Amino acid sequence: EIVLTQSPGTLSLSPGERATLSCRASQTLTTTFFAWYQQKPGQAPRLLIHGVSNRATGVPDRFSGSGSGTDFTLTINRLEPEDFAVYYCQQYDTSPKTFGQGTKVEIK
Amino acid sequence: EAHLVESGGGLVQPGGSLRLSCAVSGFTFRSFAMSWVRQAPGKGPEYVSAISADGATTYYADSVKGRFTISRDNSENALFLQMNGLRADDTAVYFCARSDFGFYDYWGQGTLVTVSS
Repeated sequence: EIVLTQSPGTLSLSPGERATLSCRASQTLTTTFFAWYQQKPGQAPRLLIHGVSNRATGVPDRFSGSGSGTDFTLTINRLEPEDFAVYYCQQYDTSPKTFGQGTKVEIK
Repeated sequence: EAHLVESGGGLVQPGGSLRLSCAVSGFTFRSFAMSWVRQAPGKGPEYVSAISADGATTYYADSVKGRFTISRDNSENALFLQMNGLRADDTAVYFCARSDFGFYDYWGQGTLVTVSS
């Protein structure tokens, strides 16, 4: 099973700043089958990015994804108040599909 | 707009059973694979089970294989998860989600399953 390790665990930033979230896979992904989700308290995860860098419908362009192999990044430019949440990465390259443990983006 | 609503969660004793349901609207249910994903308190999501669009093929995480059964009724736009032999580590919020491409693009609000004596 591919283990996804997210860093940092918590990111303390101010609105307007840039957030850079990392996700490292325990094995090399040979495809672009990689996604990012946002989750707010009491809500289901929301798909942000699929295929490493493709924004889901309705996701603002301040969210962008990049990476390949074992290292993937979610960047949020100019944090808005509604962006403070927990973010999870997910690989669907190899069964079973697995998620990271999450990065919390909190208001500094 | 896609709308998924889970039901059937609750408190159950270890070894007990529950049947979760997910009512779906807003897209052509019979055309898409579907999944169950769970999330234990304070943890990341975890894949549980998936089913093909026609219901002919099913998949399970090793942790639930032999205990859980996924099924669907395309005439009723409904997804199910029969959970038997429940254990304390099955305690989680269970989400149904559309998963046709491997990622999960639509999710329900979740239903809480608590396994405790």
